[in-house]
Amino acid sequence: EAGVVQSPRYKIIEKKQPVAFWCNPISGHNTLYWYRQNLGQGPELLIRYENEEAVDDSQLPKDRFSAERLKGVDSTLKIQPAELGDSAVYLCASSLEGLAGREQFFGPGTRLTVL
Amino acid sequence: DQQVKQNSPSLSVQEGRISILNCDYTNSMFDYFLWYKKYPAEGPTFLISISSIKDKNEDGRFTVFLNKSAKHLSLHIVPSQPGDSAVYFCAASRTTSGTYKYIFGTGTRLKVLA
Repeated sequence: EAGVVQSPRYKIIEKKQPVAFWCNPISGHNTLYWYRQNLGQGPELLIRYENEEAVDDSQLPKDRFSAERLKGVDSTLKIQPAELGDSAVYLCASSLEGLAGREQFFGPGTRLTVL
Repeated sequence: DQQVKQNSPSLSVQEGRISILNCDYTNSMFDYFLWYKKYPAEGPTFLISISSIKDKNEDGRFTVFLNKSAKHLSLHIVPSQPGDSAVYFCAASRTTSGTYKYIFGTGTRLKVLA
């Protein structure tokens, strides 16, 4: 079974440029998460989807971050414009619903460097 | 406000000995806890979990202990192997309507010496 797929794995951009990350969750997983992990920290939730619906985006900086999950499968996270403080690893995770969703499966992440 | 704390950023253990990783939390409403292991350039992978109705869960070489009164959990790895060298994150969740929103600790880097 394929795991969570993310691309690109690495991205280097200059500040004020836009950037987008893509995630393909495990087949059959209705719940999708985007996390940000700063250096020396644990992952922090940015947004959670149940199918196509963003059910928790309370920690997403909406002035510059946006996300979408069309058709309830793949998801894209966008930053526009990027700032120096956005340098981090962006992790996508997916899970089943309900009690079976206690375990989240993570992708390898996208390491973003903003210069 | 760090609700989940891993106060030891690193730990070195000799191969074959026990590794004990600790995690403290502040929110008494947390009712489910996970440990994840992370290798460099990879995403975290699930290791073991425990519900707040239990005080111990064991899976092979890995055992997680939960002390609710102290708001403390620990992961024991016995015996430790060089392949266990990784960063370990604990995560805690308050279950709401069947959904799990995890708060992660800052991680402990374990190095198992051959």
